[in-house]
Amino acid sequence: AQRVTQPEKLLSVFKGAPVELKCNYSYSGSPELFWYVQYSRQRLQLLLRHISRESIKGFTADLNKGETSFHLKKPFAQEEDSAMYYCALGGGSNYKLTFGKGTLLTVNP
Amino acid sequence: KAGVTQTPRYLIKTRGQQVTLSCSPISGHRSVSWYQQTPGQGLQFLFEYFSETQRNKGNFPGRFSGRQFSNSRSEMNVSTLELGDSALYLCASSLVGQGANTEAFFGQGTRLTVV
Repeated sequence: AQRVTQPEKLLSVFKGAPVELKCNYSYSGSPELFWYVQYSRQRLQLLLRHISRESIKGFTADLNKGETSFHLKKPFAQEEDSAMYYCALGGGSNYKLTFGKGTLLTVNP
Repeated sequence: KAGVTQTPRYLIKTRGQQVTLSCSPISGHRSVSWYQQTPGQGLQFLFEYFSETQRNKGNFPGRFSGRQFSNSRSEMNVSTLELGDSALYLCASSLVGQGANTEAFFGQGTRLTVV
């Protein structure tokens, strides 16, 4: 069974502070991990995926298979980063994403 | 290019009724998935269609069904509505299927309220 855990429902930081949104997963196969973001009054959209190893809007995430984690990090948070962040797990040919319950990030001025 | 379009945006239905929701994917996308989003359960997978074939189904009762047409547009139907079916229903499209390291593009959702 696929499972994604985001332990923090709410995370509040000040502008310029580092931020880390935690994500742990459970999956017996080869995982495909994603971070999706939903800004206020916008639709859910892809932020980044582990296979791309890219940095988007200053965010990075590293897949740690040993710890089954895919934490999202940014060294200096900006107010425009305030949003709902979802970690998602896909895998193999089951053609679905399993989402965590999300973390609401608030970046205070 | 136009994004994923879901209609209607809002629906109010009475218990026991049935409802049909529609999703038009991005042009060229052949995979359409549906998710139910509620405050308590978050985003839960309903089903996925590719070229008119259902390839996967989530853990929902048989009252929830869907289909995909030859133009890749998809509909989902919920029969005998219950209060607990009140939720935001999201549709997502992708080229070949979600989780295959391809990006899923989401619609804005249909907000269903069952009274």
